[in-house]
Amino acid sequence: KQEVTQIPAALSVPEGENLVLNCSFTDSAIYNLQWFRQDPGKGLTSLLLIQSSQREQTSGRLNASLDKSSGRSTLYIAASQPGDSATYLCAVGATGGGNKLTFGTGTQLKVEL
Amino acid sequence: NAGVMQNPRHLVRRRGQEARLRCSPMKGHSHVYWYRQLPEEGLKFMVYLQKENIIDESGMPKERFSAEFPKEGPSILRIQQVVRGDSAAYFCASSPQNTGELFFGEGSRLTVL
Repeated sequence: KQEVTQIPAALSVPEGENLVLNCSFTDSAIYNLQWFRQDPGKGLTSLLLIQSSQREQTSGRLNASLDKSSGRSTLYIAASQPGDSATYLCAVGATGGGNKLTFGTGTQLKVEL
Repeated sequence: NAGVMQNPRHLVRRRGQEARLRCSPMKGHSHVYWYRQLPEEGLKFMVYLQKENIIDESGMPKERFSAEFPKEGPSILRIQQVVRGDSAAYFCASSPQNTGELFFGEGSRLTVL
């Protein structure tokens, strides 16, 4: 059974700092890995999708890496802004499972002025 | 292109009543997924449907819960005889195929009194 863990559970940083969010998973037989952002009382917004054959994906100030063999992914946020404050969720899609995703419990990020 | 639309956004029910949650996928998406987020827990997969078919319901509780995605109209998640433990945010997501990026709605928040 796939288990996804995110560390840290919460993080508070000053504006402008670069930061790294971590995600680990127990079963390396994954199809893809997605990072989402969730704002309080809102739905999820897809940030980056990494296929199992890829090592990383970039979008603007965000970069996500994937190391399948070690069961790890990181989300790097450059030059953080207060608008980045949200909960970041990592989700893993299993081989053959398509969009039946296993989610971590998230990292709650607060970027302070 | 409107996003995934869920309604109602908030629903209050008394124990024993029925709850019906509706989801209209993005235009052109024929794959619909329901996830549940219990308080202080991560999102958990419930069911995956295509038009008129339930493909994977391995995450659905065995009793009281049912889902459908008719040929015409939205997907519906139905919870009969609700109990307090059903209080949660229910998220619907859609995709054009059973892999790749998932697009989430803003969720329906069910409170059982």
